[in-house]
This record gives sequence, structure tokens and C-alpha cells, in this order.
Amino acid sequence: DTGVSQNPRHKITKRGQNVTFRCDPISEHNRLYWYRQTLGQGPEFLTYFQNEAQLEKSRLLSDRFSAERPKGSFSTLEIQRTEQGDSAMYLCASSNQGRGGYTFGSGTRLTVV
Amino acid sequence: GQNIDQPTEMTATEGAIVQINCTYQTSGFNGLFWYQQHAGEAPTFLSYNVLDGLEEKGRFSSFLSRSKGYSYLLLKELQMKDSASYLCAGLDSNYQLIWGAGTKLIIKP
Repeated sequence: DTGVSQNPRHKITKRGQNVTFRCDPISEHNRLYWYRQTLGQGPEFLTYFQNEAQLEKSRLLSDRFSAERPKGSFSTLEIQRTEQGDSAMYLCASSNQGRGGYTFGSGTRLTVV
Repeated sequence: GQNIDQPTEMTATEGAIVQINCTYQTSGFNGLFWYQQHAGEAPTFLSYNVLDGLEEKGRFSSFLSRSKGYSYLLLKELQMKDSASYLCAGLDSNYQLIWGAGTKLIIKP
């Protein structure tokens, strides 16, 4: 297992376009988290899954954002009608039932122009 | 509410010792994490404390006082590569991490 994998590493998109990111967690981890991080700030929680169930979504997550984890393995995060304020690093992390340390992926840096 | 407080920025000299403090308020408590994050990279795990006391791991040590809602990360024999942000995070009763904004550590020669 090579850890948590995120694709793409970088994405530049025009305002108004839709983007989708993928996260492949550590295989034995049943929890998967999505965070957003902007410069000088800690990670901001977006949503998390336990297996395929999406258990919590941040109030900050607008209806333009949707996440799925259809088979309890990889997850996708889609942002519709992107805005410049969506420019950030999107981090995925996985853990085993939330106990112990989270393992982060390398992140996807989104730039909306 | 839940809150993690840590200084925004600290400066230290190569070879010296620095202590980064963190105070936390979480709904329930299942441990306190420290992560290191270099610019443009994802956070990497440094330490986890769930019981009071000091955990030492090489040049890095982490301390926890649950009664005071307080932790610190101690870095010894500082090296230039230690220049990074250090994130404090508390694990709440739902096993979710509550993150601080991070402390940017600047190491000067």
C-alpha cells in the first residue's frame, strides 16, 4: 500500500467550470475525510465517510460541492460552477475508525481563474 | 464550542530549542495530535498524546495536560529543514480532528 493517493495534483480551471477530484485511501482504513486548506490556515473540514456512508457535511459546504464514496473505497469530490473563492488545496485523509493518526494524501491544488 | 489556539508564527535559531504551545477546547477528548506541514505539501504526522505527560521521539517531544487543556511540541537541536508550519489538532468525542490554524516556525542560521 502506497498511502493515500490524490489526483490530480494540480488543477487550473476557468470560473464556472465543474471539477472533480479523486482520493484513494489506505485500503484497510474505513474512514475518509475531505478538507480544504488555504494559505496560513489549518485544514477546514468539509465532509467524511465511514465506509460508503457520508456521515457529516460541514455547514460551510455549499450545494455546489458534492462527495461520493460509492463502494467504500475511493472517493470523489466535485465542485460545480467553480468560483475564485474555491481556489485552495483540497486534502483527503483516511483513518481506521477515526482512531490514531490520520494519513493525508498529497492534496489537489485548485486554481480558479 | 470547539477551539484550538496556537501562536501564528515563531522564530528560532539553528541548533536551539523551541516550544510551540497549544490550548484546546473540544467536545469530549480522545487525544491531541501534532502535524508538520511544509509549504505546498500535505501535513505529516508527528505525535499523538492521549494521557498526561511527555512523549519523546528523537528531537521532537510532545506534552499533554488534560486538566489544563494544554499541549506543547518541543523541538531540540533545530535544523533548517524544521522550518515549517506545525499544526495542533484535538480529537473530539466523534473521533473528528479539530484543527488549529498552525504555527509557522522560521529557523534562522
